[in-house]
Amino acid sequence: EVQLVESGGGLVQPGGSLRLSCVGSGFTFSSSWMTWVRQAPGKGLEWVADIKPDGSEKSYVDSVKGRFTISRDNAKNSLHLQMNSLRVEDTAVYYCARQGDWNFEWWGQGTLVTVSS
Amino acid sequence: QSALTQPPSASGSPGQSVTISCTGTSSDVGGYKYVSWYQQYPGKAPKLMIYEVSKRPSGVPDRFSGSKSGNTASLTVSGLQAEDEADYYCSSYAGSRGWVFGGGTKLTVL
Repeated sequence: EVQLVESGGGLVQPGGSLRLSCVGSGFTFSSSWMTWVRQAPGKGLEWVADIKPDGSEKSYVDSVKGRFTISRDNAKNSLHLQMNSLRVEDTAVYYCARQGDWNFEWWGQGTLVTVSS
Repeated sequence: QSALTQPPSASGSPGQSVTISCTGTSSDVGGYKYVSWYQQYPGKAPKLMIYEVSKRPSGVPDRFSGSKSGNTASLTVSGLQAEDEADYYCSSYAGSRGWVFGGGTKLTVL
């Protein structure tokens, strides 16, 4: 059974930092493209970033470029999202997802990030 | 404002069919065959229902089908059931922009 478990969310002040983690099991993590998708309260889904299986390629949505960094540790089946210079508009549930064939095949349960003073 | 345009709501009675549209541009929906649809219940994670425009993952009922014409993709739910009441999101690969989603459609089973 595929499982993705996120952690690291919480309350942070504007301008602060937070590091999210996601641990995968039940599939070959080291062969999978991995993605972060977020959902602001009461809003729709927004793709945030993704990373190639070997970590050599990374892509970001424009609104987080220069502030967020996606990374992975294949030895630990873990995916990370380092979030710096956080803004109120970054408040959302952050999901990690395994990419299948050009889709988001499996999703974690999400972790809530709240940016507020 | 989402990159892809979906109607905010749709509805139908049990047993009926309902179609949800997803309109983009030639740089996303119209330019690639990588359109997918996701079902989301309140407080839950999204679930993949359709990928590559019209393919169904194992376990998804064949009542769910997808299609695309030009810059507009569609999800059709036939034989509506109470458990189909949920939010539905379309997504498309968008090249250098990465991935884009629609704003979501709340499907109500009357």
